[in-house]
Amino acid sequence: DGGITQSPKYLFRKEGQNVTLSCEQNLNHDAMYWYRQDPGQGLRLIYYSQIVNDFQKGDIAEGYSVSREKKESFPLTVTSAQKNPTAFYLCASSIRGNYGYTFGSGTRLTVV
Amino acid sequence: DQQVKQNSPSLSVQEGRISILNCDYTNSMFDYFLWYKKYPAEGPTFLISISSIKDKNEDGRFTVFLNKSAKHLSLHIVPSQPGDSAVYFCAASAGSNFGNEKLTFGTGTRLTIIP
Repeated sequence: DGGITQSPKYLFRKEGQNVTLSCEQNLNHDAMYWYRQDPGQGLRLIYYSQIVNDFQKGDIAEGYSVSREKKESFPLTVTSAQKNPTAFYLCASSIRGNYGYTFGSGTRLTVV
Repeated sequence: DQQVKQNSPSLSVQEGRISILNCDYTNSMFDYFLWYKKYPAEGPTFLISISSIKDKNEDGRFTVFLNKSAKHLSLHIVPSQPGDSAVYFCAASAGSNFGNEKLTFGTGTRLTIIP
């Protein structure tokens, strides 16, 4: 079955450490996105990529980095520069020109 | 600047009655609107959408209404069922400009259906 997989589901990080969240899709979707969910804030766009080897900053890109070396993969690195990294992170993908996203099941990151 | 707003953080409705969730937007470039449903610790799932050329779209128990002049849309669920209890996100896109399909989401409304 086609889908989008995020791993791990739960992640704990010590302050000052970088951590990478995985996102893989086998839907042959061109575009991929990373969102962050905080209580009362809805979903906020971190980064997005519409084609391989290209990506754009979203609304809250500071403290994050991404790469898009393969169509199927869009990993997100949360760096030590991110001041409030504890959140629920959602990856999504879509066909270009199609506004409907398919979301992964999310990764909950906790800084300890 | 919150371009998509859901002013009701929560809503409780009796089972079998109508649930009405509201969403307002400020960006006049938005031309496509979607509703997503989200359960705890899961990713959102697509529910229903509407293009700005329409004012209503219906899919089973779910109907979305769009009032462009008021920059307002609403989701109606009739009849409401216990499985509808979830957080509902409104989202908007200026996607008719190809290559700009990224969605802007509202803050969500937690719907609770009371048996």
